[in-house]
Amino acid sequence: AQTVTQSQPEMSVQEAETVTLSCTYDTSENNYYLFWYKQPPSRQMILVIRQEAYKQQNATENRFSVNFQKAAKSFSLKISDSQLGDTAMYFCAFMKHENAGNMLTFGGGTRLMVKP
Amino acid sequence: DAGVTQSPTHLIKTRGQQVTLRCSPKSGHDTVSWYQQALGQGPQFIFQYYEEEERQRGNFPDRFSGHQFPNYSSELNVNALLLGDSALYLCASSLGRHSPLHFGNGTRLTVT
Repeated sequence: AQTVTQSQPEMSVQEAETVTLSCTYDTSENNYYLFWYKQPPSRQMILVIRQEAYKQQNATENRFSVNFQKAAKSFSLKISDSQLGDTAMYFCAFMKHENAGNMLTFGGGTRLMVKP
Repeated sequence: DAGVTQSPTHLIKTRGQQVTLRCSPKSGHDTVSWYQQALGQGPQFIFQYYEEEERQRGNFPDRFSGHQFPNYSSELNVNALLLGDSALYLCASSLGRHSPLHFGNGTRLTVT
């Protein structure tokens, strides 16, 4: 079974600054996917960024980037130039290789507050 | 293009009752997954429906059951409600069982 751990229950950052959210996971799989989801007060889970484990290059999406360390089983999210709209719960999630289906295992979440 | 829609948005039930939650997948999607998100926690996978059959199931008791209709919409049923069933129930749809998930806004269930 896979486990995903987010060790930071809450974080805050000043608008326009950079913040990094941590995530570690445990798995015996070699091929898998990792995700960061954002959940604003609207409650909808919104995909922020996705990383394939077989790719060494870290994924980036505009102001969002990841630091994927496969050997250490670490997957952190960096948000640059933080905006007030980034305030939300952030969840790290694991998915086995797509052939096993798209079931997600989520971490416990990090509440991010962006301050003006 | 409608996304994933869930109804109702909020629901209050009494312990021991039964509840049915509904989900319409995003247009063009044929697979529906259900997740339970307790307050302050990450979502947990309940089960997935594809071609009107349950294809995968998480660690949930048989009190949790579901159904998928020919139009791909889905229902989640919970029998003999417990206080611990109070949670946000999220529905996610996808095209097939291997493509990215799209989530709805959830149904908030409160059991008193």
